[in-house]
Amino acid sequence: GESVGLHLPTLSVQEGDNSIINCAYSNSASDYFIWYKQESGKGPQFIIDIRSNMDKRQGQRVTVLLNKTVKHLSLQIAATQPGDSAVYFCAERGGADGLTFGKGTHLIIQP
Amino acid sequence: GAVVSQHPSRVICKSGTSVKIECRSLDFQATTMFWYRQFPKKSLMLMATSNEGSKATYEQGVEKDKFLINHASLTLSTLTVTSAHPEDSSFYICSVTDAPTNEKLFFGSGTQLSVL
Repeated sequence: GESVGLHLPTLSVQEGDNSIINCAYSNSASDYFIWYKQESGKGPQFIIDIRSNMDKRQGQRVTVLLNKTVKHLSLQIAATQPGDSAVYFCAERGGADGLTFGKGTHLIIQP
Repeated sequence: GAVVSQHPSRVICKSGTSVKIECRSLDFQATTMFWYRQFPKKSLMLMATSNEGSKATYEQGVEKDKFLINHASLTLSTLTVTSAHPEDSSFYICSVTDAPTNEKLFFGSGTQLSVL
């Protein structure tokens, strides 16, 4: 399948600020997207998902935006906390190829 | 979401030995489990799809004889790294899908394998 990529490998934000992590995908047939958080030495943890028939979905302190026109996915984290430090992966599901993961963005929280 | 238990979390072994990693779905029966491999600061690479009661489906480039997968029950899949070598050192993670949509993946805590 086609790969999902990320714009930035590392994102540094001040504690309390909002974080925006971006993801570009290339498979126009993908109809389902997920964001995962992975802390060092642990398995990925599900954060939030969105289907292609939506353009926005909100969770607790997180919002995922989907722009199908430009094939762009973003994760917004409100009031970033130290515990948000992790690597964030986007993943897409396009047909029978299963989930394809992006390269990951390392979110660093500065005090 | 599904609860996935993976064991061991870390293993160090000598070159040439075999290592078995267990993945258990604790709260529902998983007919399909997935095994991923992850190198430092890299993304997850799907190795194989483990199917209960049948042979695993391996991704291109993954050696079937090197990475033996057994899915003997609906709650347990094992990955055995046979005759391990230093280049097999990696972080191995299993996952199960969220039935019945079969979309969302829930991951185990991962196993860090270090081959000396």
